[in-house]
Amino acid sequence: SAVISQKPSRDICQRGTSLTIQCQVDSQVTMMFWYRQQPGQSLTLIATANQGSEATYESGFVIDKFPISRPNLTFSTLTVSNMSPEDSSIYLCSVQGVSYNEQFFGPGTRLTVL
Amino acid sequence: AQSVTQLDSQVPVFEEAPVELRCNYSSSVSVYLFWYVQYPNQGLQLLLKYLSGSTLVKGINGFEAEFNKSQTSFHLRKPSVHISDTAEYFCAVSDRVTGRRALTFGSGTRLQVQP
Repeated sequence: SAVISQKPSRDICQRGTSLTIQCQVDSQVTMMFWYRQQPGQSLTLIATANQGSEATYESGFVIDKFPISRPNLTFSTLTVSNMSPEDSSIYLCSVQGVSYNEQFFGPGTRLTVL
Repeated sequence: AQSVTQLDSQVPVFEEAPVELRCNYSSSVSVYLFWYVQYPNQGLQLLLKYLSGSTLVKGINGFEAEFNKSQTSFHLRKPSVHISDTAEYFCAVSDRVTGRRALTFGSGTRLQVQP
């Protein structure tokens, strides 16, 4: 299984600011995913990030609000832009495993927007 | 489009009792099925998965699940739970046909094991 780390683990931010979340994997992976878990809710896919191509966003999520970078096969960032209290969530990155149908998740970044 | 329904938001159970967490899915294409566990303040850990073959799948920590195609269900079971099994459990599916590997999750079931 892949070992995934995320930075920061948690943050408290002011309304109107932006936060960039980093996701680092200990092996090269083709597909990375970013999910959002709002308080008491399930996980919702934000976007799929493949190295060397633009991220693919799900309905309801736009690049201007959640820009994603994927500069290499072990790293990705998600930025939450112009934050509002509604953006308070846990943001998780995941990677597709060697077994192609497995996904492994990072520990998440707990974001609180005041 | 796919959807996953977890019928119970919370399941209280006494230690050493059996438990079943229910999951039903809807999809226009064949799917792969997964159960994940999320312990408090932690990320998600894969419990088990169904890709093909035997419909009874065994996972970690003594959990198992049975795929029922006719009922489009993938219920999770454990014959005897421990306090340490207290966590949130998520059922998820991914598309077998189109190559889309992202997961669609259910709303989660909180398992509360009481002494």
